[in-house]
Amino acid sequence: KAGVTQTPRYLIKTRGQQVTLSCSPISGHRSVSWYQQTPGQGLQFLFEYFSETQRNKGNFPGRFSGRQFSNSRSEMNVSTLELGDSALYLCASRETVYYYNEQFFGPGTRLTVL
Amino acid sequence: GEDVEQSLFLSVREGDSSVINCTYTDSSSTYLYWYKQEPGAGLQLLTYIFSNMDMKQDQRLTVLLNKKDKHLSLRIADTQTGDSAIYFCAETHGGQGNLIFGKGTKLSVKP
Repeated sequence: KAGVTQTPRYLIKTRGQQVTLSCSPISGHRSVSWYQQTPGQGLQFLFEYFSETQRNKGNFPGRFSGRQFSNSRSEMNVSTLELGDSALYLCASRETVYYYNEQFFGPGTRLTVL
Repeated sequence: GEDVEQSLFLSVREGDSSVINCTYTDSSSTYLYWYKQEPGAGLQLLTYIFSNMDMKQDQRLTVLLNKKDKHLSLRIADTQTGDSAIYFCAETHGGQGNLIFGKGTKLSVKP
């Protein structure tokens, strides 16, 4: 099976712009989660989608949003970019949302905000 | 509270054992995990332990859990240069499933 894929791998934007990142989960996986990784804050949970519904959300401002399509692919959007949004954005997929389901991570999208 | 803490750096010689430590504060954590991140890559799940277990061994990896002290450790036997990476401890809470990570321990293995 192909792993989790994320596009694009690298992105450079300027302050005030918006950006959309894409994640394709492993075939058969219905849950997609997004995490932000920065040197200062480490890895932080953004949100999780399951069957096109957001089921859990981390502590991020409303500028961060996401969605999931019927084929389980997910996108996250960041509007009005700030310098502090520069980070590695990781997507993870799992089969379901039961107690323990291993989360498989993609390679990430490196976003740089200038 | 939701806080997972790890020391930031560990340096060992090739062939030695590495022990990476982690403390967590949420006693309701159901599963505890160790992930590995190599440069330019995503996270790879190494192993996990259910909260009612004390120890789990998987080839060169041994996980020890002390629930009373909320302390988790990962021991890598016969550490190799290919083990150089950042290791993250993580926990989940109940049915939510989202991972709460420590800041990561950078393991450097010297030949």
